[in-house]
Amino acid sequence: ETGVTQTPRHLVMGMTNKKSLKCEQHLGHNAMYWYKQSAKKPLELMFVYSLEERVENNSVPSRFSPECPNSSHLFLHLHTLQPEDSALYLCASSQDNGRDALDEQFFGPGTRLTVL
Amino acid sequence: AQSVSQHNHHVILSEAASLELGCNYSYGGTVNLFWYVQYPGQHLQLLLKYFSGDPLVKGIKGFEAEFIKSKFSFNLRKPSVQWSDTAEYFCAVNYKRTGANNLFFGTGTRLTVIP
Repeated sequence: ETGVTQTPRHLVMGMTNKKSLKCEQHLGHNAMYWYKQSAKKPLELMFVYSLEERVENNSVPSRFSPECPNSSHLFLHLHTLQPEDSALYLCASSQDNGRDALDEQFFGPGTRLTVL
Repeated sequence: AQSVSQHNHHVILSEAASLELGCNYSYGGTVNLFWYVQYPGQHLQLLLKYFSGDPLVKGIKGFEAEFIKSKFSFNLRKPSVQWSDTAEYFCAVNYKRTGANNLFFGTGTRLTVIP
C-alpha cells in the first residue's frame, strides 16, 4: 500500500464546477508535487512545494490552484476547467534534504478527472 | 529544452525473453536518472536510480540499467522477463541545473509479456 493517498480516485465535473483534489502523505516527507498524466504524453510537473513553500510553477493555467497547508497535505483546487484538462492527476512526495540531488519520489494512485 | 525520449511505445515479449527498453535524454549537464514502473491498477513506483558512481545500476526484480554518458542514454534491461513484468515503464531525468525538484519524464513504454 502506498504511503501517498489521493481522493477522490475518480471525478467528473462540468466546466463551471469548482472541485478540489486532495493528497496526503504518511512518509514524513517535506516536499510534495502535482503531476498531470495525459494519454500519449509525458508526465507533466505542475507544482512543487518544498517545506510548504511553492518552489516550481511550470506555467500552469490559473484555473488550477494549489494549496499546501502543511507538509503532509496538498490540495489542487479546480475551477472553470476545460475538456482538455481531463487527465490523471498524480501527487507525489519526497524528502528534500537541500542537497543538489533529487531523491526518490513516491507517487499516489492518482485522481482520474473527466471534464464535460 | 530538456526532454526524455522513449522510442519503444509498446513492446511484446514471450516469457524468458530478454528485455531492453531505450531511454535517451537531451543534453543538459549533470543528471540524475530514474526508471519508474506502473503495474496495472497500481501506482508509479521506483525501479532503480543512478546518481553517480558505477554506471551499471541494479534495481528491484532483476532489472538493471546502464548509464552511457556519451550517448545520453539510460537503457533498462532484464535478462529474462516474467509475465508479472507486464507494466508501463517510465524513464525520468533530473537535470541538476534546473533544480533539485524538477523531474522530466518520458512518454512511457508499455511492456506486455505473454506466458
